[in-house]
Amino acid sequence: DGGITQSPKYLFRKEGQNVTLSCEQNLNHDAMYWYRQDPGQGLRLIYYSQIVNDFQKGDIAEGYSVSREKKESFPLTVTSAQKNPTAFYLCASGDRAVEGYTFGSGTRLTVV
Amino acid sequence: AQSVSQHNHHVILSEAASLELGCNYSYGGTVNLFWYVQYPGQHLQLLLKYFSGDPLVKGIKGFEAEFIKSKFSFNLRKPSVQWSDTAEYFCAVNSGGYQKVTFGTGTKLQVIP
Repeated sequence: DGGITQSPKYLFRKEGQNVTLSCEQNLNHDAMYWYRQDPGQGLRLIYYSQIVNDFQKGDIAEGYSVSREKKESFPLTVTSAQKNPTAFYLCASGDRAVEGYTFGSGTRLTVV
Repeated sequence: AQSVSQHNHHVILSEAASLELGCNYSYGGTVNLFWYVQYPGQHLQLLLKYFSGDPLVKGIKGFEAEFIKSKFSFNLRKPSVQWSDTAEYFCAVNSGGYQKVTFGTGTKLQVIP
């Protein structure tokens, strides 16, 4: 079945450490997105990529980094510079925004 | 910049009650509008979308939404809710030609049997 796979489902990180969240899609979509979901704040865009080897900052990119070396993969690194990293992270893909996105099941990151 | 407001943060209804969730957006040009739903423990999924044509859009599971351009609104409705409609609902907007989609803060719907 086509879809988006995010791993791991749960992740614990110590303060001061970088951590990388995985996102893989087999939908052949050009565009991929990372959102952060916090209670009462909805989904906020971190980074997006419309094509391989290109990506753009979203609304809350500070403290995060991404790469897009393959069409299928769009990993997100949460760096130690991110002041409040505990959140639920969602990856999505879609060929055209007007068609709507397909979302992964998310990664819940907790800083301990 | 595009933005979305959802005024109801938490709604509690009894089964068979009618539902209307408010959504307002701020962008003066062409917009594409969406409602997404997140059932407990499940992926966020597309419920319905509007990009042109008939302003009354029908989606899955008996949901519909009406685009009223003069009010910058895209409210979600369902005549009779079921316990299985318990979920969080997100309104979203994409302005024409712009690849990013902006989401609202979400409305948690709890349906009591």
